[in-house]
Amino acid sequence: DGGITQSPKYLFRKEGQNVTLSCEQNLNHDAMYWYRQDPGQGLRLIYYSQIVNDFQKGDIAEGYSVSREKKESFPLTVTSAQKNPTAFYLCASSIIPGDGYGYTFGSGTRLTVV
Amino acid sequence: GENVEQHPSTLSVQEGDSAVIKCTYSDSASNYFPWYKQELGKRPQLIIDIRSNVGEKKDQRIAVTLNKTAKHFSLHITETQPEDSAVYFCAASTDSGYALNFGKGTSLLVTP
Repeated sequence: DGGITQSPKYLFRKEGQNVTLSCEQNLNHDAMYWYRQDPGQGLRLIYYSQIVNDFQKGDIAEGYSVSREKKESFPLTVTSAQKNPTAFYLCASSIIPGDGYGYTFGSGTRLTVV
Repeated sequence: GENVEQHPSTLSVQEGDSAVIKCTYSDSASNYFPWYKQELGKRPQLIIDIRSNVGEKKDQRIAVTLNKTAKHFSLHITETQPEDSAVYFCAASTDSGYALNFGKGTSLLVTP
């Protein structure tokens, strides 16, 4: 899967539930990112992490949380505070923190609220 | 923060014609400009990139040009083929510790 794996591919969430999206990479990349993709909106940055145990909010962090306990893993939790979570979520990693060069994307998780 | 504008949002061309997609950016410190191609339901794939010390870069039918003074860069696809049909995203970043900022995408349709 190109060295970065997202799971599940499809996820359904009931109103008021928290759900966690998994992102694992074996590329030895220091930096990892979460983007949300909506039709006609491009990719919007939710959170990013440049090093283990550290992460920063992106442009649309409200209603989301992350952790970075291991270099390989950067899970994203969509909380009940996120009022419109239905979207395609993409995880990415890069060689050098803060440098867009060498971005690798996962295959995405499509989240739907039911 | 950085703001990347991309035009047009949709583009339809006939097979064999050229396609041009344009992006502008706001942060003069941006120095890396990649272009991604995303087919329906799949992950974005890097197709070409350019750094600010270069004005143009070409890879077979694809080229990117950069005008740092005007803060805009463009993707040029020549001799388009139906398999070029996809959504194309431009992006920009700096070295200052942030992530890629993406444009909203251009949906390119190449008709036979």
